[in-house]
Amino acid sequence: NAGVMQNPRHLVRRRGQEARLRCSPMKGHSHVYWYRQLPEEGLKFMVYLQKENIIDESGMPKERFSAEFPKEGPSILRIQQVVRGDSAAYFCASSPPLTGAVNEQFFGPGTRLTVL
Amino acid sequence: AQSVTQLGSHVSVSEGALVLLRCNYSSSVPPYLFWYVQYPNQGLQLLLKYTTGATLVKGINGFEAEFKKSETSFHLTKPSAHMSDAAEYFCAVYGGATNKLIFGTGTLLAVQP
Repeated sequence: NAGVMQNPRHLVRRRGQEARLRCSPMKGHSHVYWYRQLPEEGLKFMVYLQKENIIDESGMPKERFSAEFPKEGPSILRIQQVVRGDSAAYFCASSPPLTGAVNEQFFGPGTRLTVL
Repeated sequence: AQSVTQLGSHVSVSEGALVLLRCNYSSSVPPYLFWYVQYPNQGLQLLLKYTTGATLVKGINGFEAEFKKSETSFHLTKPSAHMSDAAEYFCAVYGGATNKLIFGTGTLLAVQP
């Protein structure tokens, strides 16, 4: 069973360009979470999605950022008009449908975004 | 609201010495607590978790953590450090209804030969 897959692993963009980060959850997992890790900081929650639904986007910046998890295909985190402050590692995690009080989240290797 | 504080952003130990990484939490409900490890340029791997039941939790790679409600702590320990333990360690608390994890700022563990 393959783990959580993210691509690309490294992404370089110039200011003003768009960045698209992809996440394929583990097989059988229907919940996806995106976290951002800024340099010298811990991970910060961004958004929680289930298939075709955004459940919690309380950690998403109000502008330029969007996320989706379509019925078919990977989850996408999209950053429009990137700025240098968007440079960070973006991690995706997935979990199976909830069967108890809490489910383990399995993390992908991350996408490291560098904005020039 | 839940939060996590990790004391000591950098910890250095000698190989074979005790590892102690500190984590204190704040939670308005009974907490679910986690320790993750991150090796350079990799994702996070779950070391151990506390949900309910036994307060001493054993994890992978010889690590364990003890949930102490009276001290609001969940410190991570390992009796004898190995060079391969050098990594960054994150404590996290479960954020409740929306399943998100709330992470501490991490502790970078260095193991000296």
